[in-house]
Amino acid sequence: DIVMTQSPATLSWSPGDRATLSCRASHSVSSNLAWYQQKPGQSPRLLMYDASTRPTGIPARFSGSGSGTEYTLTISSLQSEDFAVYYCQQYNNWPYTFGRGTKVEIK
Amino acid sequence: EVQLVESGGGSVQPGGSLRLSCAASGFTFSSFWMSWVRQAPGKGLEWVANINQDGSENYYVDSVEGRFTISRENAKNSLYLQMDGLRAEDTAVYYCARKLYITNALDYWGQGTLVAVST
Repeated sequence: DIVMTQSPATLSWSPGDRATLSCRASHSVSSNLAWYQQKPGQSPRLLMYDASTRPTGIPARFSGSGSGTEYTLTISSLQSEDFAVYYCQQYNNWPYTFGRGTKVEIK
Repeated sequence: EVQLVESGGGSVQPGGSLRLSCAASGFTFSSFWMSWVRQAPGKGLEWVANINQDGSENYYVDSVEGRFTISRENAKNSLYLQMDGLRAEDTAVYYCARKLYITNALDYWGQGTLVAVST
């Protein structure tokens, strides 16, 4: 199985900061990668697919990049509603696997 | 508006069975792959199973292979997960989710239903 590594587990930023989250795959996933946001008590929400494509309705402050085994989710200016847990997920090989998540908390 | 509503969760003893259901609305259910994803309390996400549009293809994570069965009934816009031989490690919130038409990310999720396996 492909192991997805997100580190660190927690990052602290202030509102308005530029936030960068990292995700590393144990093998190349060929940009078959998604990012999800999950707030306490809520279901995950798709933020990005195919590494850099935003679904309709996702704000432009979210962007994704990367290739091969290294991927990044960037939030250009953190808003209060962006403090949450973020998961990356590969769908290049079955079983599709998630990272353990990075919690973005308020500094 | 796309809606996915799970039901059927509850408490069960090890070795027991449960059947989860997911009622879909707001889209053409028969045109989409569907999935079940679970989340153990305080933990991350695990993709459990997939099923294609007509139910002829399905995939399972190794940890549930042979114990869980994913199925669907397009006439009723419904997705199911039959869970047999439940173990304590199956305790989780189970989400029903729709796969994007063009790729394998999950674009809509239900609110989840809790399955608790314990004595």
